Order: sequence, then C-alpha cells, then structure tokens
Amino acid sequence: NAGVTQTPKFQVLKTGQSMTLQCAQDMNHNSMYWYRQDPGMGLRLIYYSASEGTTDKGEVPNGYNVSRLNKREFSLRLESAAPSQTSVYFCASKETGVSNQPQHFGDGTRLSIL
Amino acid sequence: GDSVTQMEGPVTLSEEAFLTINCTYTATGYPSLFWYVQYPGEGLQLLLKATKADDKGSNKGFEATYRKETTSFHLEKGSVQVSDSAVYFCALRRGSTLGRLYFGRGTQLTVWP
Repeated sequence: NAGVTQTPKFQVLKTGQSMTLQCAQDMNHNSMYWYRQDPGMGLRLIYYSASEGTTDKGEVPNGYNVSRLNKREFSLRLESAAPSQTSVYFCASKETGVSNQPQHFGDGTRLSIL
Repeated sequence: GDSVTQMEGPVTLSEEAFLTINCTYTATGYPSLFWYVQYPGEGLQLLLKATKADDKGSNKGFEATYRKETTSFHLEKGSVQVSDSAVYFCALRRGSTLGRLYFGRGTQLTVWP
C-alpha cells in the first residue's frame, strides 16, 4: 500500500543551490501533479503531467522544472533555490479518464531555503 | 477563473460540539467538489466528494451538500472528536478528466477534550 512516495521528507538548502524532489506512484496512474503549500495559501499547482512524456505549467511554475521520467515517476527540480521557495511540496497522482476519481497525495517534502 | 473561498480559521471546539466549515466556489460549468483533510505531518486525504447539484457526500460522520443555487459546499459534523483535529481543505475540479484541483486556503480545526 505504498501509494505516492516522496523523497526526501525534509531538506535544507542554501540560496542558489539546486535540488530535485522525487515522486513515485505505484497505482498505475497516468496523471501526476506537483503542489506547494504555504501558510494561509492552500495548495497551489506548480506543474502537472497528463501522461508519460507530457508536462504542463500550473499556477506557479516560475523557478521550477519537471520531468516525467516514466509512468511511475515525476520529479520537480529547483535549479537555483530562493528563500521564496521555502514551502511544503506535495506530489499527487490520479487515474485519468475517470473524472470522479480523487487525487492521491504523498506525505510531502518540507523544504527550507536559507 | 475558478476559485474556492473557505472559512478562515482557526476553529476551536469542545468535544461533541457541532462543526460547520463554510466553503463557496466560483467556476464555470458544473464542477465536482471535494473536502480533503490533512493530519499533522501527513499529506492530504480525500474526506468526501460530490459531483453534481444536490449530491451529499459523507464519510466518518462528516457531510457536505452540493448547493448550486448558493455555490456552496459547507462541511458539517454533528459531534466532533479530538481525533478530528486537522486542517480541512475545500477543493473543486471542473469536468475535465485531467483532474486539476483548485483549493481553498484551509481551515485549522482543534478539538479539545
């Protein structure tokens, strides 16, 4: 029952460093998503991927890149981290083609940038 | 554009009190509506959903009714427990099967024994 697995769970970076957040799902879902959660802001969509090989921007894509490596994995990269990117990052996945199915979330990556 | 407005928290209640968390939405067409719950240190879990007007979603004693006339999806529970302490998010998704969700800001609920 792994569901959506995110690594690492915690990370501290210095401004300007780069880092890749990993996400993998074992539910054979086509769609995957990256969100960030900030106090008082709810969750905001950074990027999403409707299927292997495709990615699209969400509400707040600036400063991030993504890779849909295969059907299972969807990574989020910060090329040059900034303090404004301090946040909790959530990956989610969903079965495409069945509109009433919910998104399944990982436990999050807590990222601090100094 | 699509958006969700959620009652600001935090909400603090005594055990067995009645809970209401208000949620209203703006969207074109006929969105699906969701309530997600986030326990401390965890990701979001689906609590309940409704996909068309007048549908009632329910789970674990929580209920919410999709009211198109008032564009609302308020969360209610008749008797809260300490274990219900969490952050609750209202969300909508339009009819696309891609499933992009638009979230409210979240409402922190604390229940005291």
